[in-house]
Amino acid sequence: SQKIEQNSEALNIQEGKTATLTCNYTNYSPAYLQWYRQDPGRGPVFLLLIRENEKEKRKERLKVTFDTTLKQSLFHITASQPADSATYLCAPSNNAGNMLTFGGGTRLMVKP
Amino acid sequence: EADIYQTPRYLVIGTGKKITLECSQTMGHDKMYWYQQDPGMELHLIHYSYGVNSTEKGDLSSESTVSRIRTEHFPLTLESARPSHTSQYLCASSEGVVNNEQFFGPGTRLTVL
Repeated sequence: SQKIEQNSEALNIQEGKTATLTCNYTNYSPAYLQWYRQDPGRGPVFLLLIRENEKEKRKERLKVTFDTTLKQSLFHITASQPADSATYLCAPSNNAGNMLTFGGGTRLMVKP
Repeated sequence: EADIYQTPRYLVIGTGKKITLECSQTMGHDKMYWYQQDPGMELHLIHYSYGVNSTEKGDLSSESTVSRIRTEHFPLTLESARPSHTSQYLCASSEGVVNNEQFFGPGTRLTVL
């Protein structure tokens, strides 16, 4: 069955450092992969979408990579700030129906 | 801030009651979704709609039902609430274009006693 894995343990880093979050998938061939941010008690907010023919996508301090051979996406936040503290969800999609399957998310804590 | 609204934000109700969770969006999106999420856990799709008069069940089996009579409105109903229905319910919408982002509402935190 399809499986999406994100580190369930929280990632703690110091302000100013680069945070790297991992999303691995198995039994799956997504054509697209989206990343969302979710704050406690709120709905997820879309951050970035990367297509299977794109190796890298950037938006301000955010960078996403997509390696279809390794079946992995990496999400980077450079010059991290305490305000970046949140849970980050990856969501692959392999069909045209806008159906997303969300990973369990990784909680990021940026300490001042 | 996305133009998608959910009411109520919090609901505490007794077992056996009928409840309706409201979701409205003003973006004219064709596609709408309901997710269920327990604290610290994954989002699970329970219902979705491609447009007016279209509703489908999602990956996670749910005793709830939905309707889509108007584009902007996608309410979720539980005929008889039980403690096992206690969870966070999130509504989302997206444009009818392939793989566009989903816009989420703030969620309804439901507690059934």
